[in-house]
Amino acid sequence: AQTVTQSQPEMSVQEAETVTLSCTYDTSESDYYLFWYKQPPSRQMILVIRQEAYKQQNATENRFSVNFQKAAKSFSLKISDSQLGDAAMYFCAYRGGSQGNLIFGKGTKLSVKP
Amino acid sequence: GAVVSQHPSWVICKSGTSVKIECRSLDFQATTMFWYRQFPKQSLMLMATSNEGSKATYEQGVEKDKFLINHASLTLSTLTVTSAHPEDSSFYICSARDPGVGSYNSPLHFGNGTRLTVT
Repeated sequence: AQTVTQSQPEMSVQEAETVTLSCTYDTSESDYYLFWYKQPPSRQMILVIRQEAYKQQNATENRFSVNFQKAAKSFSLKISDSQLGDAAMYFCAYRGGSQGNLIFGKGTKLSVKP
Repeated sequence: GAVVSQHPSWVICKSGTSVKIECRSLDFQATTMFWYRQFPKQSLMLMATSNEGSKATYEQGVEKDKFLINHASLTLSTLTVTSAHPEDSSFYICSARDPGVGSYNSPLHFGNGTRLTVT
């Protein structure tokens, strides 16, 4: 079975600084997809960024980028120029190529200090 | 963009009663919807996969007779918590994938969730 591990329950970053959230996963599949979701206090799940496993190039979305290390099964999220609005729970998620549902990590609570 | 609407956003019910939660895809047809449960300060756990026109697929440990799922149309799935008990109090979130977007790399669209409190 696939698993997703987020080893940092909480992280803190100073406004305008950069922070990296860690995520590792375990799978025997070769075709899969990885996602980072943000959940603010409103509990709405917001897609931050996604990565197809077959793509070597790391995905980037404005201030958000990932470091995808397929061999190491690592998928970290880097947030540059952190803003107060980035404060939220961040969930790393995995989806197999033949599946529709997501498997989530336990989440990392990010605090942004002004 | 694609939107998934979930209703109600919160509900309080008495122990022993049943509660129905609706999940609608507003601008796309979803043959499959997913129901997740999230306890406070915890992650989302998949409860069941709702398939249009057929029986839902439940995850191990989820009581299918307690959590009734109906996916009668391509835009609506419902989750009914039957004979609710205080331990059923939780945050329930539905999601759906827009098959028109492409392959499985298309992201899931989430509803806003339903906070259920059973007294």
